[in-house]
Amino acid sequence: GENVEQHPSTLSVQEGDSAVIKCTYSDSASNYFPWYKQELGKGPQLIIDIRSNVGEKKDQRIAVTLNKTAKHFSLHITETQPEDSAVYFCAASRRNFGNEKLTFGTGTRLTIIP
Amino acid sequence: EAGVTQFPSHSVIEKGQTVTLRCDPISGHDNLYWYRRVMGKEIKFLLHFVKESKQDESGMPNNRFLAERTGGTYSTLKVQPAELEDSGVYFCASSPRSPSGTGLNQPQHFGDGTRLSIL
Repeated sequence: GENVEQHPSTLSVQEGDSAVIKCTYSDSASNYFPWYKQELGKGPQLIIDIRSNVGEKKDQRIAVTLNKTAKHFSLHITETQPEDSAVYFCAASRRNFGNEKLTFGTGTRLTIIP
Repeated sequence: EAGVTQFPSHSVIEKGQTVTLRCDPISGHDNLYWYRRVMGKEIKFLLHFVKESKQDESGMPNNRFLAERTGGTYSTLKVQPAELEDSGVYFCASSPRSPSGTGLNQPQHFGDGTRLSIL
């Protein structure tokens, strides 16, 4: 089955700097890669996703890149703000038609230092 | 649009007792998933419903766990009898059916979870 590894487990950056979180996956059939942000006491919230036919996707200060050959994808947050502090999870999923379960990484606790 | 709702938010029970968790998905979402996060580890898949049918239950740990989705609306996850290792946060997620013929994964929207503690 799929295995997703996520690094680093903790990350602290100064407010205004950039943060990068990296994930690798093992199943070459995976084609959908969402990123979730989880705040204390809340459930994971989808912040951005990317499909395997795209190499990069951007939404304001958040971007995700995908390298299918190397089987890794990364989350980039620019101009970090205190409200970006949370736990971030990457995930991978195979094509639809009955099998959409997400396999998650172990999470990255991001702390923005004011 | 109301999000995914889970009840209760917290549950504390003794080993050997029974607990039932409930999930109300986003209205109109055919797909409903259960996941859990144990001891700060990764979030792991438990099972997937398409309407009232179990599509994939490969993640269910053992036969002490029973999930139902009668009528294809809300779902329940019952643990009977509960064991210490069942402690964790149980998440429910839902997603719409993918557009016909596209086979595209649809984004899964998560509830806030039920924190289950077994004493």
